[in-house]
Amino acid sequence: DAKTTQPPSMDCAEGRAANLPCNHSTISGNEYVYWYRQIHSQGPQYIIHGLKNNETNEMASLIITEDRKSSTLILPHATLRDTAVYYCIVRVGGTYKYIFGTGTRLKVLA
Amino acid sequence: EAGVVQSPRYKIIEKKQPVAFWCNPISGHNTLYWYLQNLGQGPELLIRYENEEAVDDSQLPKDRFSAERLKGVDSTLKIQPAELGDSAVYLCASSLGDSRSEQFFGPGTRLTVL
Repeated sequence: DAKTTQPPSMDCAEGRAANLPCNHSTISGNEYVYWYRQIHSQGPQYIIHGLKNNETNEMASLIITEDRKSSTLILPHATLRDTAVYYCIVRVGGTYKYIFGTGTRLKVLA
Repeated sequence: EAGVVQSPRYKIIEKKQPVAFWCNPISGHNTLYWYLQNLGQGPELLIRYENEEAVDDSQLPKDRFSAERLKGVDSTLKIQPAELGDSAVYLCASSLGDSRSEQFFGPGTRLTVL
């Protein structure tokens, strides 16, 4: 499975966009990029996933570079409740296995 | 709709004692996962069930860990005997049968072994 690299921590001002980068330079053609977040004392929560195209849902946008070696999760208007650890996961198409890294600890500041 | 339910939320035991964790997945989800999460780390898969069959238990330490999913719904994860290094959060997740479906996680059980 491809490995991912994320910065260990980031700060973002409340109301501003939070842009969380992820490097997955060894990703293969059939591997999806998934993003989850984990708020303190809770289980991970699904945010979004994509293969090649950019994706958007009610929570966030996912921008995947054309060569698919990196991606960015965008929270358009961060709130204090978005403070969490964000995990970028690459999963081989057709398999169930996630390999979590250590994630990015995002702190949204008032 | 109820999410994944786990109990207990917290458990403190002495080493060498047995312990069991219970998970009730989201209704209709036939795939169930148990994960281990150490402090400051991401979750690591222990075992995956498809209905009542354990289809991936390669990461489960079988000398002391066991799991079951009778009737393909609820599941129990057991440790016997517990060791100090087993202190961690044990997460249960469930998903639909499609491998691309997202996994829904429960709140976890925080185990402390003294």
